[in-house]
Amino acid sequence: GAGVSQTPSNKVTEKGKYVELRCDPISGHTALYWYRQSLGQGPEFLIYFQGTGAADDSGLPNDRFFAVRPEGSVSTLKIQRTERGDSAVYLCASRSSGGALYEQFFGPGTRLTVL
Amino acid sequence: AQRVTQPEKLLSVFKGAPVELKCNYSYSGSPELFWYVQYSRQRLQLLLRHISRESIKGFTADLNKGETSFHLKKPFAQEEDSAMYYCALSVASGTYKYIFGTGTRLKVLA
Repeated sequence: GAGVSQTPSNKVTEKGKYVELRCDPISGHTALYWYRQSLGQGPEFLIYFQGTGAADDSGLPNDRFFAVRPEGSVSTLKIQRTERGDSAVYLCASRSSGGALYEQFFGPGTRLTVL
Repeated sequence: AQRVTQPEKLLSVFKGAPVELKCNYSYSGSPELFWYVQYSRQRLQLLLRHISRESIKGFTADLNKGETSFHLKKPFAQEEDSAMYYCALSVASGTYKYIFGTGTRLKVLA
């Protein structure tokens, strides 16, 4: 079956612009995560959805970042007024219900470059 | 504070030599730990999880609560093991989000 997919694979934008990054989780996975990976670092948690609701958004760096998952499947990460420091690889992961023993499956990531 | 530390950014070994990738964690609860691997041009994928006590591709990892460590080991490295390895701690706060270390790049030399 298909794994987690993310689009676009690369996004180049100018400082101050708005961007949307999309994640298609594995079908049937109710849990969805967004992470951000800066150069030389491990992925850092941004936000977690259980179904349609954002159950934990404690990792969002500021109010320029927002994410939605309106139908409990596809999720979109939205960044307003992008800054050069937002440049990173944004990873999406999904997990089936049942707790921590179930691994998170990662997408290929979207590489965001803010000029 | 919840933290995962991987002290080595790069580890180079010769083919056939033993490998140990270090991971230490800081967590007040009962830890659930994972090793993820990222091969060149591929996505992050699970290598192994401590609860399963399994051996994948010859790798093993033992949770040592006394030393708060979860080191990844393989007795004989192979060239195809060259990759980026990340240790991850699952936070059992209902979210099971991961806290990752900074990763170790393993290079296995011929």
